[in-house]
Amino acid sequence: KQEVTQIPAALSVPEGENLVLNCSFTDSAIYNLQWFRQDPGKGLTSLLLIQSSQREQTSGRLNASLDKSSGRSTLYIAASQPGDSATYLCVCEQFYFGTGTSLTVIP
Amino acid sequence: DTGVSQDPRHKITKRGQNVTFRCDPISEHNRLYWYRQTLGQGPEFLTYFQNEAQLEKSRLLSDRFSAERPKGSFSTLEIQRTEQGDSAMYLCASSVIATGESEQFFGPGTRLTVL
Repeated sequence: KQEVTQIPAALSVPEGENLVLNCSFTDSAIYNLQWFRQDPGKGLTSLLLIQSSQREQTSGRLNASLDKSSGRSTLYIAASQPGDSATYLCVCEQFYFGTGTSLTVIP
Repeated sequence: DTGVSQDPRHKITKRGQNVTFRCDPISEHNRLYWYRQTLGQGPEFLTYFQNEAQLEKSRLLSDRFSAERPKGSFSTLEIQRTEQGDSAMYLCASSVIATGESEQFFGPGTRLTVL
């Protein structure tokens, strides 16, 4: 069974800082990995989807990478803004979610 | 709006009552997923459909839970004899399975409170 871990569970940074969120998974035979953000009490908003044949995807200030051999994905957020404050979740193969990283960007 | 919709958004019920939730996926999406999420946790997979066929069910889905997608469009999730431990956010997502992309899109969720 795939196990997905996200460290740290919470992160607080000043506005403008670049940051990296981590997602680790135990079974490297995945066909995709997706990153979401979730605002309190809300559903999930898709950020980036990486197929197994890809190494990274970019959207605006976000860049997600995938290293299957090491069982890791990272989400890089450039020039963080207070509006980026949310919980960030990764999911492997659409079924296996991590517990999330709660990000707070301080103005 | 062409996103995933869920109804109701909130449901308060007494222990022992039955509840039913509805999910309308994005049109043309052939996969539909149900998840449960409790406070501070990531979503836990419950079940998914490809068209009208229920292809997988988590062991979390006890006998009190049943899901249907009779015409391959909307889906319902029913919980019978609700328990306080069923209190959670129930999320629905959909995707289209084709070569390459299989991005999931989520609805706003149904928050269930069992008193």
